[in-house]
Amino acid sequence: GEDVEQSLFLSVREGDSSVINCTYTDSSSTYLYWYKQEPGAGLQLLTYIFSNMDMKQDQRLTVLLNKKDKHLSLRIADTQTGDSAIYFCASGYSSASKIIFGSGTRLSIRP
Amino acid sequence: DSGVTQTPKHLITATGQRVTLRCSPRSGDLSVYWYQQSLDQGLQFLIQYYNGEERAKGNILERFSAQQFPDLHSELNLSSLELGDSALYFCASSARSNVVTGPHSPLHFGNGTRLTVT
Repeated sequence: GEDVEQSLFLSVREGDSSVINCTYTDSSSTYLYWYKQEPGAGLQLLTYIFSNMDMKQDQRLTVLLNKKDKHLSLRIADTQTGDSAIYFCASGYSSASKIIFGSGTRLSIRP
Repeated sequence: DSGVTQTPKHLITATGQRVTLRCSPRSGDLSVYWYQQSLDQGLQFLIQYYNGEERAKGNILERFSAQQFPDLHSELNLSSLELGDSALYFCASSARSNVVTGPHSPLHFGNGTRLTVT
């Protein structure tokens, strides 16, 4: 069935780049998303990429998509303490009325 | 603020009991989604409603049910509660009913209801 996987934890030094990786199983995914969840809050859409794109840049965020390997990554440049959160990768399918989320990657920032 | 309101924020109850979680979608959004977030299962899609009708079902237990009312708010009913039902329950809304909530109609999440079953 449909599945989205990502590592659970990532720790980076403040000012460095963070790279959060995700793999998905269903090649019929139409959209791939990154959501951010801060403590005590719901998920917030950060950015997305359409499945026929390879890369998308949005200020400090860069999304890379390798459709052949079904691999998605989110790069956060110049990581700040405010970037501490859980980041969810998600895929949307044109044949299903739902979005499948990964388990989330908890990003922590070291001084 | 996403515009999605969930009540209550916290709920503590005993095994075997029944609870109702409430969600008011963003103004103008017709679709409501329910998700369960637990430590070991991640974020699981439960069910979707559009304009009062059920549109999609995910990993929702038979002990759970939901509905969407004419004013578009939604309720998730959890009955015969078990310890394993302890989790964060999120409601999300989107404008469209179409099968994929694309970037022009993303999901907007509420802050969740934390359910603790003792």
